[in-house]
Amino acid sequence: QVQLVQSGAEVKKPGASVKVSCKASGYTFSNYNMHWLRQAPGQGLEWMGIINLGGGDTRYAQEFQGTVTMTRDTSTSIVYMELSSLRSEDTAVYYCARECLKCYYFDYWGQGTLVTVSS
Amino acid sequence: EIVVTQSPDTLSLSPGERATLSCRASQSVTSTYLAWYQQKPGQAPRLLIYGASSRATGIPDRFSGSGSGTDFTLTINRLESEDFAMYYCQQYGGSPPKYTFGQGTKLEIK
Repeated sequence: QVQLVQSGAEVKKPGASVKVSCKASGYTFSNYNMHWLRQAPGQGLEWMGIINLGGGDTRYAQEFQGTVTMTRDTSTSIVYMELSSLRSEDTAVYYCARECLKCYYFDYWGQGTLVTVSS
Repeated sequence: EIVVTQSPDTLSLSPGERATLSCRASQSVTSTYLAWYQQKPGQAPRLLIYGASSRATGIPDRFSGSGSGTDFTLTINRLESEDFAMYYCQQYGGSPPKYTFGQGTKLEIK
């Protein structure tokens, strides 16, 4: 069965960076896209960007240009999202979510990773 | 950016009743690019409907989606206790294209 298992909770200071991982299993890794989204406490969902797991191409939402980097390791089926220059407003649960190519919806989600930014 | 607005913010109903949730986009959305998710506290969202009206794998036929253009609807017939949750609609589009979500509708037990 398809599983997306994310790394554990993180506490970071303002200005630092965080790198969250998402290990995929149960399907052919490279045949899909992976997205990253976040949800601030008590808030809705915000899309951050996409990485094509085959070629590694990325596209980021304008709001995150310059601060987010998405990468993947096809040998381990792990996808990474690194967010830099953290601010308190970046405190949120971060999700990876799978998309079949040109499907435009997210059929499987990771369990979420809470990132807390606090001095 | 396409802004998505859901209504109502909160819907209070009893088990067995029908729920009708609305999703309105600020610009026309291709139906292929419209999806609905259910989220329970402490859990990741779960895909319910994609392409505006297609049920995801394992989703009961009590859930149905409809609509086109700027107005879309999620209908849940014969509400069961497990259906009380937050619901989000999601669209893909705009320039540059991006995914945006509505603010959510909380379906609560009356």
